[in-house]
Amino acid sequence: GIQVEQSPPDLILQEGANSTLRCNFSDSVNNLQWFHQNPWGQLINLFYIPSGTKQNGRLSATTVATERYSLLYISSSQTTDSGVYFCAVESWAAGNKLTFGGGTRVLVKP
Amino acid sequence: NAGVTQTPKFQVLKTGQSMTLQCAQDMNHNSMYWYRQDPGMGLRLIYYSASEGTTDKGEVPNGYNVSRLNKREFSLRLESAAPSQTSVYFCASSVGWGLAAIGGNEQFFGPGTRLTVL
Repeated sequence: GIQVEQSPPDLILQEGANSTLRCNFSDSVNNLQWFHQNPWGQLINLFYIPSGTKQNGRLSATTVATERYSLLYISSSQTTDSGVYFCAVESWAAGNKLTFGGGTRVLVKP
Repeated sequence: NAGVTQTPKFQVLKTGQSMTLQCAQDMNHNSMYWYRQDPGMGLRLIYYSASEGTTDKGEVPNGYNVSRLNKREFSLRLESAAPSQTSVYFCASSVGWGLAAIGGNEQFFGPGTRLTVL
């Protein structure tokens, strides 16, 4: 099946810093989502971005489908950005079911 | 709109007991999903229902059964719980499985059920 790898696995940031999270995938996809899992376990939809670039406040995401990767940018990080960020992809080869990466655990220190 | 709701929030079972996890969505979505999340890992698909009246196995279906009761509700049943089923269970829904061209595959998740099997 399709493989999804996220890097780095862990990230510690000082409040106000910028960062980039990466998601690589092994096959063509027709859907890619970024989620934030907050410390209470809730999965929050960040982006639905099978290709192109989107921005939402301090967060933005870019997917380059032809090169099989996506990037999530966090600018001016805040303590509320702490949690785990997941990338999930859907492909025809996997029967249109979401496959999750292992996540990037982010800790933003005040 | 409440979005996707799940009950119960927490549950402790003894090995061999059975239980049903309930999920409901009020977004008029066609497709619904059940995932499990083990510590330190991403989510894995257990079962899904592309539309009312259909269900299919996902990546880790063994030990589970599902029922798509109607368009709103999708339940997950553990017939004989085992310690390996200790996990957090998430339900999700999307507008339409296979409707990627119009964003139909964006999935929205419930708050999860934390299950411990002793």
